[in-house]
Amino acid sequence: NAGVMQNPRHLVRRRGQEARLRCSPMKGHSHVYWYRQLPEEGLKFMVYLQKENIIDESGMPKERFSAEFPKEGPSILRIQQVVRGDSAAYFCASSPIGQQNIQYFGAGTRLSVL
Amino acid sequence: DAKTTQPTSMDCAEGRAANLPCNHSTISGNEYVYWYRQIHSQGPQYIIHGLKNNETNEMASLIITEDRKSSTLILPHATLRDTAVYYCIVRVGNSGYSTLTFGKGTMLLVSP
Repeated sequence: NAGVMQNPRHLVRRRGQEARLRCSPMKGHSHVYWYRQLPEEGLKFMVYLQKENIIDESGMPKERFSAEFPKEGPSILRIQQVVRGDSAAYFCASSPIGQQNIQYFGAGTRLSVL
Repeated sequence: DAKTTQPTSMDCAEGRAANLPCNHSTISGNEYVYWYRQIHSQGPQYIIHGLKNNETNEMASLIITEDRKSSTLILPHATLRDTAVYYCIVRVGNSGYSTLTFGKGTMLLVSP
């Protein structure tokens, strides 16, 4: 059973470009979570999604950031018009129904904004 | 949610048991204790969780005091690969929705 897959592992963007981060949850998991880890800081929750629904986006910046988890395909975290402060590691996690507190994390996408 | 307090860092010799404490004096009756760890540059990894009974799995043991105000994660035979930041998280229930809040955790350094 493959784990949570994130791609790309590394992403370099120039200021003003868009970044798209993809996450495929573990097989059978219908809950996806995105976290951000700024350099030398802890993990911060961003958004919690189920298929076609955003359940909690209380940790998402109000502007430029969006997330989706379509019926088919991976979850996408989209950052528009990236700025240097968006440089961070972005982790995706998934959990099975009824086990939301046991989350399985991917290896992360490291975004560097030049 | 109950607040947790962990030491900033700990050292352990390879092959010895690593005992990582966590204080959660305001824990309520329906809150579980979860432990995760994050090895450098990797995604966090779930280790173990419990409500009030001691728990053991292939990775670790979790000892929760009778009053549930504190707990200890035990790695029975620490290896160099166990060097990581360990997070103690208290959350409601197993099936209810909740976000995981990662604090600063304990940096465990396992040395040869």
